[in-house]
Amino acid sequence: KNEVEQSPQNLTAQEGEFITINCSYSVGISALHWLQQHPGGGIVSLFMLSSGKKKHGRLIATINIQEKHSSLHITASHPRDSAVYICAVYPGSARQLTFGSGTQLTVLP
Amino acid sequence: GAGVSQSPSNKVTEKGKDVELRCDPISGHTALYWYRQSLGQGLEFLIYFQGNSAPDKSGLPSDRFSAERTGGSVSTLTIQRTQQEDSAVYLCASSPGQGMGFNQPQHFGDGTRLSIL
Repeated sequence: KNEVEQSPQNLTAQEGEFITINCSYSVGISALHWLQQHPGGGIVSLFMLSSGKKKHGRLIATINIQEKHSSLHITASHPRDSAVYICAVYPGSARQLTFGSGTQLTVLP
Repeated sequence: GAGVSQSPSNKVTEKGKDVELRCDPISGHTALYWYRQSLGQGLEFLIYFQGNSAPDKSGLPSDRFSAERTGGSVSTLTIQRTQQEDSAVYLCASSPGQGMGFNQPQHFGDGTRLSIL
């Protein structure tokens, strides 16, 4: 079993829909990253959080440390949101990230 | 720009050759990471540098892989006697490092796409 599990693996939505991507992890962590990888391969850090909730534009990330679960929400989705979204954690005192396998999001116009 | 820069962006080489991949981190970032993303696979950690400390090499898959970081800045990942299973995108990331809490957002380069024929 992977230490970081994401669901769904693939998600297709219509423009304007509210999207949720889930991440569960099985180890104690000190922080969690949500990353976005576009088709060209470049990776952008969207959020890093260790508790509560963060919001940036149409993106919202939440984390529940007790339940070992995080969600990434996209409101009013747009085709330009189409990308792979990757959840990554800092396990314990580790300084390197452990990654989920990613969620491929496709938003149709 | 002032982001993480990697070169080359693409590299095609024959099996058995050695390759060197370069990473220029963001200026002032003391932490530098190498990751690998094989086709259809998730990202995996390779090696981590923090300042002048000994690197964490725990993710290197074999002794054919090595990395250096000169002067606390530029890093080179070297793969000797390349094999076809080494084909992947190699990503470098940097973060500000210690003094601000070691869990900080990582800034990624665009990666080097390595193809072994």
